[in-house]
Amino acid sequence: GQQLNQSPQSMFIQEGEDVSMNCTSSSIFNTWLWYKQDPGEGPVLLIALYKAGELTSNGRLTAQFGITRKDSFLNISASIPSDVGIYFCAGQGAQKLVFGQGTRLTINP
Amino acid sequence: NAGVMQNPRHLVRRRGQEARLRCSPMKGHSHVYWYRQLPEEGLKFMVYLQKENIIDESGMPKERFSAEFPKEGPSILRIQQVVRGDSAAYFCASSTSPQSSGNTIYFGEGSWLTVV
Repeated sequence: GQQLNQSPQSMFIQEGEDVSMNCTSSSIFNTWLWYKQDPGEGPVLLIALYKAGELTSNGRLTAQFGITRKDSFLNISASIPSDVGIYFCAGQGAQKLVFGQGTRLTINP
Repeated sequence: NAGVMQNPRHLVRRRGQEARLRCSPMKGHSHVYWYRQLPEEGLKFMVYLQKENIIDESGMPKERFSAEFPKEGPSILRIQQVVRGDSAAYFCASSTSPQSSGNTIYFGEGSWLTVV
């Protein structure tokens, strides 16, 4: 089945640093999505990407849809304590989302 | 605007009992999806339903699991004769049209099942 490889699995950074994480796939997706999940909560959509090569921002977050449609990255600039959580990429296949394993972000004040 | 509502948020069952998880989609959404998340893992697709129809159940275990989305009322994910390995967070999501059309889907806050 389709699988996404998300890296890194975890990150420990200082407040104010920039963060970068990415996802790669062996399959092509027509849509890439990035979600954030806080403990005990459901995933919340951060950014949706619909076109290969598309670069989209949402505040301090920037995400890009790779040209090959097999990868995507998410950058967070000037991290703040509330950025702590688990970030998931998801590729939209036929009628379902395929999720990466997640990147756990920890911020040291 | 109410989001996707799931209940119960937390459920404890003994091995062999039945678990029923309910999901009310966002207003105006007729497409419902169920995902399962094991600890420290991403979400895994289970089933996609429209009103009264199962469209894709390729992620559902062959036995003990069933899902429905009746004409009236919430979608139900039913797990019979639960085992410890069923302990997980179960998320429901909904959309106005199929995910394949690029339409955004919204997730509920999840139901955490613990089997003791």
